[in-house]
Amino acid sequence: GAVVSQHPSRVICKSGTSVKIECRSLDFQATTMFWYRQFPKQSLMLMATSNEGSKATYEQGVEKDKFLINHASLTLSTLTVTSAHPEDSSFYICSALAETVYNEQFFGPGTRLTVL
Amino acid sequence: GQNIDQPTEMTATEGAIVQINCTYQTSGFNGLFWYQQHAGEAPTFLSYNVLDGLEEKGRFSSFLSRSKGYSYLLLKELQMKDSASYLCAVEYSGGYNKLIFGAGTRLAVHP
Repeated sequence: GAVVSQHPSRVICKSGTSVKIECRSLDFQATTMFWYRQFPKQSLMLMATSNEGSKATYEQGVEKDKFLINHASLTLSTLTVTSAHPEDSSFYICSALAETVYNEQFFGPGTRLTVL
Repeated sequence: GQNIDQPTEMTATEGAIVQINCTYQTSGFNGLFWYQQHAGEAPTFLSYNVLDGLEEKGRFSSFLSRSKGYSYLLLKELQMKDSASYLCAVEYSGGYNKLIFGAGTRLAVHP
């Protein structure tokens, strides 16, 4: 099956710093990737859709200036959490859309962000 | 608005059968996914339904009724490793194959 990686898997940072999370599709090209966040015991909430070669589209309530998304190539999307605060602590998961029978999303292993 | 409902928690015995229900109300409907998610890990694909009826894949089956906005995931011959959260997700007519997820059902399988 298609494989998606995320780096780093865990990151701890100080309040006010920025953190970059990478999402890579390892064995397929993905024009579209998605970024989700998940709080403990809650479901995945879509933050934004990352489109190669164009600007990301953000869901309502998600600050585009705080969560910067760059889809640099057909295999790489990055999410930068700028000026992170403790309330940004969460599990961030990316997915890449594959042109399969179901047009399904393949998920990365997630990044646990803790802001002190 | 968009709404997907699943039971929060379920328990079952090893070797038994369990059915996890999902009801949805979304703006348009392109298909419904079921994912399994172990704690601290990414969701993994289990099944996809777009037409009414039952889709069977080994120990897992998924059913869809579009007219009722209802789906269920059936897990047979439960194993301890099936203890996980099960997420129902609807692909709605929002463009770019967007998914809206239910809150997930935490299943605990006991010996």
